[in-house]
Amino acid sequence: TQLLEQSPQFLSIQEGENLTVYCNSSSVFSSLQWYRQEPGEGPVLLVTVVTGGEVKKLKRLTFQFGDARKDSSLHITAAQPGDTGLYLCAGAAGTYKYIFGTGTRLKVLA
Amino acid sequence: DSGVTQTPKHLITATGQRVTLRCSPRSGDLSVYWYQQSLDQGLQFLIQYYNGEERAKGNILERFSAQQFPDLHSELNLSSLELGDSALYFCASSLRPAGRGITGELFFGEGSRLTVL
Repeated sequence: TQLLEQSPQFLSIQEGENLTVYCNSSSVFSSLQWYRQEPGEGPVLLVTVVTGGEVKKLKRLTFQFGDARKDSSLHITAAQPGDTGLYLCAGAAGTYKYIFGTGTRLKVLA
Repeated sequence: DSGVTQTPKHLITATGQRVTLRCSPRSGDLSVYWYQQSLDQGLQFLIQYYNGEERAKGNILERFSAQQFPDLHSELNLSSLELGDSALYFCASSLRPAGRGITGELFFGEGSRLTVL
């Protein structure tokens, strides 16, 4: 069974602080995605990484895919209250299945 | 607006009952995925269809079933409901199957919140 473990599970920080969320697995994924989910809504895609070692930047967010394509990280610089939400990583497990991580709930306090 | 429509948004029912959740994917998307999300948790993969055919199954209970119709909309049927089935049920769609480049990304509906009393 392919599992994606995220850490930390919960994170509460002050506005302006930096943070990193990790997504780890013992399985190899052909691609990995990060989503953010706000209350009452479905997850929304932030980024897709497909190459081992790939780094993508989206404004204050930096995403990295591990060299072995088993893990990923999301780093947020100078967090803002608008970054608050549930962050989910998802791996493409074979051709027809996306496996989601356990989730990291982030709260950024003003 | 993701373009994925789910109905109903909220549903309250009793144990032992049966409900049907409906999903209309984004225009042109051939893949439909169903996920279950319990309170404050990640998404549990239930089942996936591609162009009308079942292609992948997750930890879907035998009491649950789904299908994708020729017009590509999908329905998730939940029967003999138990208290533990209370959750948010999400439908997502994608143009291409998982892992097939950036167009394999998922677009989610707003979910159907099921409460079993």
